[in-house]
Amino acid sequence: AQTVTQSQPEMSVQEAETVTLSCTYDTSENNYYLFWYKQPPSRQMILVIRQEAYKQQNATENRFSVNFQKAAKSFSLKISDSQLGDTAMYFCAFTYSNYQLIWGAGTKLIIKP
Amino acid sequence: GAVVSQHPSWVICKSGTSVKIECRSLDFQATTMFWYRQFPKQSLMLMATSNEGSKATYEQGVEKDKFLINHASLTLSTLTVTSAHPEDSSFYICSARPTSGRASGELFFGEGSRLTVL
Repeated sequence: AQTVTQSQPEMSVQEAETVTLSCTYDTSENNYYLFWYKQPPSRQMILVIRQEAYKQQNATENRFSVNFQKAAKSFSLKISDSQLGDTAMYFCAFTYSNYQLIWGAGTKLIIKP
Repeated sequence: GAVVSQHPSWVICKSGTSVKIECRSLDFQATTMFWYRQFPKQSLMLMATSNEGSKATYEQGVEKDKFLINHASLTLSTLTVTSAHPEDSSFYICSARPTSGRASGELFFGEGSRLTVL
């Protein structure tokens, strides 16, 4: 069975600090996609970053980067120079062929001023 | 980026009535749309996969007669909660998969619809 595990229910850091959110997954598939989504208080799910499993290079989007370790089935998200607007729930998700996302439980991230 | 619009964003209804939630892809065509339910402080639970022109595929434990899904066009899917009861109160979210021309594997999400059944 495919599963996604986020072991940190909540994290809190000071503004401008760097924070890393962890995510591990389990699958027997070889080709798949991994995502980090952000859900702010407005509740709309926003894509933060995506990674194709066949790419060895870690994805980067401005202040957001991932550490993708395929053998370890680990997909952590690093947020650099954190901002107040980064406060949100962050979900790690996985899909392979049918685009049905398998979700982690989420990590509540609080950026303190 | 691609836009998915959900309507209504907030609805309150009486127990026993039916409520329809619309999910529209505004600037792309979507062969497949997904409907999720999210309880407070929890992750998204996939309810069903909506395919244009065919019957929806429901996840185990989701009552298809209770949650009617119609995907009549490539830009619109609807979820109707029939004979709603207080336990149906929740946040419902749709997502759409572009038919073509977009990054593979990417889904776009609606703003969500908060249903409160009195």
